[in-house]
Amino acid sequence: QVHLQESGPGLVKPSETLSLTCSVSGGSVTSNYWSWIRQSPGKGLECIGYMFFTGRSNYNPSFASRVTLSIDTSKNQISLQLTSLIPADTAVYYCARARRSGSGYYFDYWGQGSLVTVSS
Amino acid sequence: SNDLTQPPSLSVSPGQTARIACSGDILSRQSAYWYQQKPGQAPLLVIFKDTERASGIPGRFSGSSSGTIVTLTISGVQAEDEADYYCQSGDITDTYPVFGGGTKLTVL
Repeated sequence: QVHLQESGPGLVKPSETLSLTCSVSGGSVTSNYWSWIRQSPGKGLECIGYMFFTGRSNYNPSFASRVTLSIDTSKNQISLQLTSLIPADTAVYYCARARRSGSGYYFDYWGQGSLVTVSS
Repeated sequence: SNDLTQPPSLSVSPGQTARIACSGDILSRQSAYWYQQKPGQAPLLVIFKDTERASGIPGRFSGSSSGTIVTLTISGVQAEDEADYYCQSGDITDTYPVFGGGTKLTVL
């Protein structure tokens, strides 16, 4: 059973950078794709992007200019960095395992989510 | 704007059948997936590849697909099925995953 656990700051100031980490247990980050998804009251569920441990990645155009996903195979962790934060980035951020299906992807394991509030 | 459209809410009585539709042009060429989300919890995969039930999901949950519309059906709805349900597929350019706006299912 794959288990994912997000960690990071609950409060970040506007214009700063958000850094979140997701620890994976019960499976290796070197198999499958991994993704970050956020959920805010105003916009529902949004896939920020996904990546494979080799570095192959794809980002939602809405975030592409300010997001970086990375994978640390030595720690079995995936990470998210989102720059230039604004209050509208306030959301619950989930990490999830992404499974490939044809040309698309879906998410079969999710972390419990990390609430991030952007406020001064 | 969402590439996938769902009704915002649906109410059914226990024992009835709930049908939640999701429409989008991408659905004619990509599979759909359904997630259940209860308050304070992460989404849970219910249906994958249009019709396949995820592991551990009760048999009363089923999925179907026709053209640009996919449907999640819950037969014999139970109180524990009250939740938000989200469909998911690819975006219209087929480059990244997108979700529908969600349907809040209320069990009367």
